[in-house]
Amino acid sequence: AQSVTQLDSHVSVSEGTPVLLRCNYSSSYSPSLFWYVQHPNKGLQLLLKYTSAATLVKGINGFEAEFKKSETSFHLTKPSAHMSDAAEYFCVVSALSGGSNYKLTFGKGTLLTVNP
Amino acid sequence: DTEVTQTPKHLVMGMTNKKSLKCEQHMGHRAMYWYKQKAKKPPELMFVYSYEKLSINESVPSRFSPECPNSSLLNLHLHALQPEDSALYLCASSPAYTPQVEAFFGQGTRLTVV
Repeated sequence: AQSVTQLDSHVSVSEGTPVLLRCNYSSSYSPSLFWYVQHPNKGLQLLLKYTSAATLVKGINGFEAEFKKSETSFHLTKPSAHMSDAAEYFCVVSALSGGSNYKLTFGKGTLLTVNP
Repeated sequence: DTEVTQTPKHLVMGMTNKKSLKCEQHMGHRAMYWYKQKAKKPPELMFVYSYEKLSINESVPSRFSPECPNSSLLNLHLHALQPEDSALYLCASSPAYTPQVEAFFGQGTRLTVV
C-alpha cells in the first residue's frame, strides 16, 4: 500500500521569498516520486521526479526537491517565489501495488499563494 | 510533439444525452489514462490502457465507457450521466505502464451535466 500526505493545504508567501511545500509518503516498495503543478482550469504539468538516482532533484522553473528516505519526505523548494508560481501543487507517489499493477497516488494538494 | 490534446475543452450535456470525450497523443506512448477531478480535489484514476488493452478499471460506473481504438487515441463515451459526474476529466499518457515514468497530462475537458 502507498500513501502521500501533503502537510499544508495552503501556503502563502511574498514574491521573492523562499517556497517550501512539504510532502511525506509511505510505500511498501521503492517508490518513484513526482511533483506536479496545476494552474486554474488547466491540466497537470510535471515539475520534477525522483526515481532512485540522485536524492536532490532539480526541476523546471527553479524548483527542486530532496528525497530523504529516513524521513520518508520529498519536500519541494524554490529559493525565490514568482507571481507565476501561484497554483495548486500535487505530490505523487508511484509504486507497484502487487503483481504488475501500479497507480499514481496523489496527495490532496497544496495551494500556493504569492503576494506582491 | 510533447502534448496530450483533449477535445472538447468544455461540454454541457443533459442527463439523457450521449457524448464522447477524445484524447490524442503522438509521443509514441503505450499507456493512456482517464482521470476525474472534482473542484479542489486531486485527480482520481478511472481507467488505464496499456498497449490498447484495458488494464485497470477503478470500479467506474458503466455510464462511463472507455475505448482505445489505436495507440494514439483514447475516448471516453458518456451516457445517462448524473449531475454529480460534473468535473474536469483529464487524459494522460506515459511511455509505458511502469511506476518509474511520469505521466503527461492534457488540459482536460470541463464537463457539466444538467
